[in-house]
Amino acid sequence: ETGVTQSPTHLIKTRGQQVTLRCSSQSGHNTVSWYQQALGQGPQFIFQYYREEENGRGNFPPRFSGLQFPNYSSELNVNALELDDSALYLCASSLSESSGNTIYFGEGSWLTVV
Amino acid sequence: KNQVEQSPQSLIILEGKNCTLQCNYTVSPFSNLRWYKQDTGRGPVSLTIMTFSENTKSNGRYTATLDADTKQSSLHITASQLSDSASYICVVSAFFNTDKLIFGTGTRLQVFP
Repeated sequence: ETGVTQSPTHLIKTRGQQVTLRCSSQSGHNTVSWYQQALGQGPQFIFQYYREEENGRGNFPPRFSGLQFPNYSSELNVNALELDDSALYLCASSLSESSGNTIYFGEGSWLTVV
Repeated sequence: KNQVEQSPQSLIILEGKNCTLQCNYTVSPFSNLRWYKQDTGRGPVSLTIMTFSENTKSNGRYTATLDADTKQSSLHITASQLSDSASYICVVSAFFNTDKLIFGTGTRLQVFP
């Protein structure tokens, strides 16, 4: 086990709705990143948080937003859901941004938008 | 543009056989390269991490190589087992963005008895 916990594991939403996905990072890890993985594709970087501040963002629209809390847990919020948002959403945690640190992934949250 | 390409896209081998997966990247300036194993519907699990100065790193039956000059890496799996059936993803980081990973699309490996 990686020590990174995501919830919920699966959920179904309809177009236009909003969703919140949660991630509990490994103890002591102050950096958390979120990725979107469509079926058959590699993960795509959404954004990263370091000590509660956004520290980089990929090519995703503003309706994808996030938070990191003082205990370093994190949320991914997606507003105005679209069918193409259906994917596996992965949370990854690590200790700072030092090169070579192992990055641990959660098992992901499967989102289906209908 | 920073990219990571993997080959083959998919691979079928018999249990007990060896195989080698390839990864080419154009990420610059290069920081490190990681190989992950991802079972279907699960999160990726780290196999190896290599920085610029490392040429080879092993983790049990998995051996990764890195040629930073040609920007190529390989993952060699020895004596394959049924449990090795998974996607293997090559992931590269650039300096100053070390935790913003650039993923390849993976090689889907199937091991048959």
